[in-house]
This record gives sequence, C-alpha cells and structure tokens, in this order.
Amino acid sequence: GAVVSQHPSWVICKSGTSVKIECRSLDFQATTMFWYRQFPKQSLMLMATSNEGSKATYEQGVEKDKFLINHASLTLSTLTVTSAHPEDSSFYICSAGGTREPTDTQYFGPGTRLTVL
Amino acid sequence: QKEVEQNSGPLSVPEGAIASLNCTYSDRGSQSFFWYRQYSGKSPELIMFIYSNGDKEDGRFTAQLNKASQYVSLLIRDSQPSDSATYLCAVEGFNKFYFGSGTKLNVKP
Repeated sequence: GAVVSQHPSWVICKSGTSVKIECRSLDFQATTMFWYRQFPKQSLMLMATSNEGSKATYEQGVEKDKFLINHASLTLSTLTVTSAHPEDSSFYICSAGGTREPTDTQYFGPGTRLTVL
Repeated sequence: QKEVEQNSGPLSVPEGAIASLNCTYSDRGSQSFFWYRQYSGKSPELIMFIYSNGDKEDGRFTAQLNKASQYVSLLIRDSQPSDSATYLCAVEGFNKFYFGSGTKLNVKP
C-alpha cells in the first residue's frame, strides 16, 4: 500500500510548550491530508482537513489557533500543537489522499503519541 | 448529519470460523466504502474498498455492499488470532471520510 510517514512517532513535552508533527506521503502526491486524534479506547476523531496550498478546514470544536496546520507541499503537512496541556495528550494520526489509486482512499500514517506532562 | 454505525462488540469467534462485521450508513448518496483494521496502539490500515452493490473478495476477506439497505459488511473466512483487532467502517462523501466507532474482533485459538 501507499506509504505515509509521521515524525516523531512519540513525543513527551512539558505543559505550555509547542509540538510540531510532520506527515509525509512518500510515494504519491497527497492533494488532501487529514488529521485525526484518538483517545484510548475511543474512535478516530477528525480534527481538520487540509488541501495543498490552502487553509485547513477545522471540524467543529477544534481550535484552529491551538492546532496549527500547514500543507505547504503535495507531500508534507504539519500539525503544531501550541501551548500544549495534559488534556492534549493523545494519539495523533494523519492520513493522505491523492494520486494513489484508488484516489478516494485515505492512507494513514503510523501515528504520533503525544504525552504532555 | 452523516452517520456510520457499527456494533462496538467485542465479537468473539473461534479460530477457523467466519467473522461477520456489519456497518450501516445514513447518507444514501455515499458512493465509496472502506474497511480498515486497527491494532491496539497502531494506526488504521486499509483492508478493502468497495463501490458497487454485491460482493468483492480479496483473499480471506469479502466485502458486501447493499446500497438499497445502506449496509456494508466484511466477512473474514478462516479467522486467525492475528485478525484480532478493531475494524473500522468508513464511508466517503464530499472528500471526507466518516468513520464508524469500530467493532472489536477477538479470535480465540
């Protein structure tokens, strides 16, 4: 299947600091990238959708000033959690859709586990 | 509001049996349907996709779609302990995926 990478895979930070998570599509052009959050034993929660070169569309209840998304190229999107707090600790997963067939499929990255102390 | 419903389970089946996972969706205009498998602590991985009414087979997996009933299912034949995971149904609409909450499958040796 298509390869989507995320970096870092695991991060621990202090409360109040900012954390940047990178999502890369390695073997196809990702015209659309999605960011999800998943708390333990819960389902995926879509946070935002980003299209290359345009502003991200955030889901209701997701603070766009806290979760900054940049989709600067067809292979890279970043999510920055600003002024992180312990309640932001979660599993953050990106997915990408684009030129890889079937083109309406989302391919998921391996996820980033964020722990805020 | 677009909704995708799955029984949360857990669904327990003995090794070698057929596991049947079900999903219903509310948006009659949905065209693309996907099944993902998610192991604990890992991100989802695509198993199958289906667009047309009927069955689609891939190895031990068969996806079934009935658009009239707004129902999609996944059958896993010869279930193995390694199939134990949460299975997510996803429905695509307007370039956005709507995921069900997932069904946890336990395959007992």
